[in-house]
Amino acid sequence: DTGVSQDPRHKITKRGQNVTFRCDPISEHNRLYWYRQTLGQGPEFLTYFQNEAQLEKSRLLSDRFSAERPKGSFSTLEIQRTEQGDSAMYLCAGGGGPYEQYFGPGTRLTVT
Amino acid sequence: DQQVKQNSPSLSVQEGRISILNCDYTNSMFDYFLWYKKYPAEGPTFLISISSIKDKNEDGRFTVFLNKSAKHLSLHIVPSQPGDSAVYFCAASLYSGSARQLTFGSGTQLTVLP
Repeated sequence: DTGVSQDPRHKITKRGQNVTFRCDPISEHNRLYWYRQTLGQGPEFLTYFQNEAQLEKSRLLSDRFSAERPKGSFSTLEIQRTEQGDSAMYLCAGGGGPYEQYFGPGTRLTVT
Repeated sequence: DQQVKQNSPSLSVQEGRISILNCDYTNSMFDYFLWYKKYPAEGPTFLISISSIKDKNEDGRFTVFLNKSAKHLSLHIVPSQPGDSAVYFCAASLYSGSARQLTFGSGTQLTVLP
């Protein structure tokens, strides 16, 4: 157990709806990452926070995606106007140092 | 362009024998490598890592070998146990912009047969 929790674990939504996911890292994790994983692939980097500052965004993060980390604690990932191609596992990872990242259980999104 | 490749989607090994999982990378800027294990419906779990200045790192039954000239790393599990059955991802790290980013391979499903 990495201590990183994510909510919800599963989300089914209709195309065009907005969804929001939450990640709670442990207090020692000043670094927080979001990844997306599709079937048969490894996780792909989406965005990175150091404390409350969003320092890196992947080109995968279209303008329909937004992430926040207010006060440098929990983080949220919102997807607006969901598309079927957004169906994936969304993973959050925390880290205290620059190397190892510790993943939460993920949120599985299904867009119908 | 896949910078980290795991060319074997699956591997079956008898309990007690050695499991060898392989990973190749193309970007010579990667300077830190990690292996993760993933069970269904769970997030990846960190297993072991190695810096590019080393060629071997050992932790219990798990050993990671790095061959920089060949841009190849491998994970050895000895002896293999049924509980090791999972998907194994290798990941490579480099400092990009303001952060270290991980690039993952597509994973290898390891099945350890009792």
